[in-house]
Amino acid sequence: EVQLVQSGAELKKPGESLKISCKASGISVTKSWIGWVRQMPGKGLEWIGVVSAGASAGASNTRYNPSFQGQVTMSADKSMNAAYLEWNSLRAFDTATYYCARLATTGHIDYWGQGTLVTVSS
Amino acid sequence: QPVLTQSSSASASLGSSVKLTCTLTNGHNNFIIAWHQQQPGKAPRFLMKLEASGKFERGSGVPDRFSGSTSGADRFLTISDLLTADDGDYYCETWDSNTRGGVFGGGTRLTVL
Repeated sequence: EVQLVQSGAELKKPGESLKISCKASGISVTKSWIGWVRQMPGKGLEWIGVVSAGASAGASNTRYNPSFQGQVTMSADKSMNAAYLEWNSLRAFDTATYYCARLATTGHIDYWGQGTLVTVSS
Repeated sequence: QPVLTQSSSASASLGSSVKLTCTLTNGHNNFIIAWHQQQPGKAPRFLMKLEASGKFERGSGVPDRFSGSTSGADRFLTISDLLTADDGDYYCETWDSNTRGGVFGGGTRLTVL
């Protein structure tokens, strides 16, 4: 059974850094693309990008939505079988729920994580 | 990159059927899409994959009250025997292998009366 378990809710201040995780079971992050999706309060779903772990330790393959390039960093770790989403300097605008999801071979999402709520407030 | 267009809202009576529409932009009629359900306060859930031919494949545990169909650039999700639990937002989604980017429709808010 495929499961994606995300890290818990976070409350951060503007300017702080953050790394959230998505731990996979039933699949390998070296053989699957993991997508990250943002949902701002009361809004729809937005693609951030996709990531897959490379064959070498610490290597990741990524594709960003141009709207998010430079704003966040995606990575994946084959030893942990997990994907990550990271911010260097959070803004209030980053307040949202972030979902990870597994992409099927045809590219659409077929499994979702439970979501991580990130709140950025002074 | 394809654009997916959905009506912002729909409503139907308990026990009846409803047909939601997702329209692909011209030139992308052959794209596979997926339908996802998001109940209030919950994570999205994959419902089905829907091909240009009209062939669809439901996700694990999705009841057969949910079905898909296609007409040209339009992709449909039909929900039969509506339950109050079917209340929520429904999103279509596709993948552009050329740009390696995903696209969501704006979502349809379904209200079961």
